[in-house]
Order: sequence, then structure tokens, then C-alpha cells
Amino acid sequence: GESVGLHLPTLSVQEGDNSIINCAYSNSASDYFIWYKQESGKGPQFIIDIRSNMDKRQGQRVTVLLNKTVKHLSLQIAATQPGDSAVYFCAETLNKGGSYIPTFGRGTSLIVHP
Amino acid sequence: ETGVTQSPTHLIKTRGQQVTLRCSSQSGHNTVSWYQQALGQGPQFIFQYYREEENGRGNFPPRFSGLQFPNYSSELNVNALELDDSALYLCASSPSTNYEQYFGPGTRLTVT
Repeated sequence: GESVGLHLPTLSVQEGDNSIINCAYSNSASDYFIWYKQESGKGPQFIIDIRSNMDKRQGQRVTVLLNKTVKHLSLQIAATQPGDSAVYFCAETLNKGGSYIPTFGRGTSLIVHP
Repeated sequence: ETGVTQSPTHLIKTRGQQVTLRCSSQSGHNTVSWYQQALGQGPQFIFQYYREEENGRGNFPPRFSGLQFPNYSSELNVNALELDDSALYLCASSPSTNYEQYFGPGTRLTVT
């Protein structure tokens, strides 16, 4: 079946470094992708999204890159801070009758060392 | 503006029992989606409600059912609980079906 997965379950970085979290998706029909951050004891929080007609989108300290040729998505966090420590999920969505239902991957745990 | 709230925060039930979880959507949001998140996994879509009607369902059995009320709050009901139903249940609301979803903190359900 279709799935979304992450290459690395855990990523450890030093404060101030740039972090890159990768994600592979398998449904070539997916047309909208989202990155979420989930801190312990909380629900997922929207970080940034990108539509399939784009290959790059930038936010505050974050950049999402989409490579549809190899069905790969990445989240880049600049100048990583301890507050960035969390589990990060990518999600692919299909437009089903006007609804965008995200399919989440397993997640990557980002650990930022001071 | 109040965000998405869920109740209760934690719940312990016995196998075979029934449970009802509640969600209050963010003000102005008419769409509510429910997710099950097992430990160490990403959230799995259960179903979505839009203006009191079910608007999509994931791969969950019929013993998972829901309701949405005129004020757009929602309930998730699970009958005949199984041990594997132990998980964090997340509710997310959005202004409509094709907009960004805002998640609540979840209800941690433990089935013994």
C-alpha cells in the first residue's frame, strides 16, 4: 500500500547547527505536503507546507524542499535551537472530494544539544 | 481565541468496554478530524466531520464512530475496546475541509 516514511528515526545536532530531516513518500498523486512538529505531551503543530507545483518554500528559519522525481521531501532548520527538540512528521495529502486528509510518516526525533 | 481542546486528558478502560472522547473545535472552524497515534508512530486518520456529516474515513472498523454537533464540537466513540486501541487520540479542527488543521493535545487512552 501507499506509505510515507522517514529515513532517520533520530537526529542529534549541536545548538546553532543546521538540521535536515528527510522524508520519502510513495504516492505520486499526492498534491500537498506538510511538516509538523510534535513536542512531548502535545498535539502536532503545523510548521510549513508545500504544494506539488512547487519545489521549495521558505518560512522563518525553515525551508522545505520537494523533489517529485524521486518522491523526496526535506525540512531544513537553520540555526537549530534547544526549543526545536521534538518529533517531526511529514505528511502527504490527497485531495479527496475537496478534503485534504494527511497520511503521516513515523516521525524523526530531533535532539538539540546545547 | 481558544484553541482545540479535548477531554479527558487521560483515561483507563477495560477490554470490551466502550469509551467516548470529546473535542471542542477552534472558534470559526467547521471541520473536525480524528486521529489515532500509537506510541512511536505517526497519527493515523480515523475520520473527518464537516458540518455534522462524516466526510471521509480511514481504515478503522465500524466500532469506531463519531458525531459532530451544531456548534461543531465532536465526539469519538469506540465500542468493544481492544488492547490495541491503547493510544493517543488526537482531534484537529480546520476552517474548512481543505485548510490547515489545528491539533488538540490529545486524550491518552489505556485499555487493560
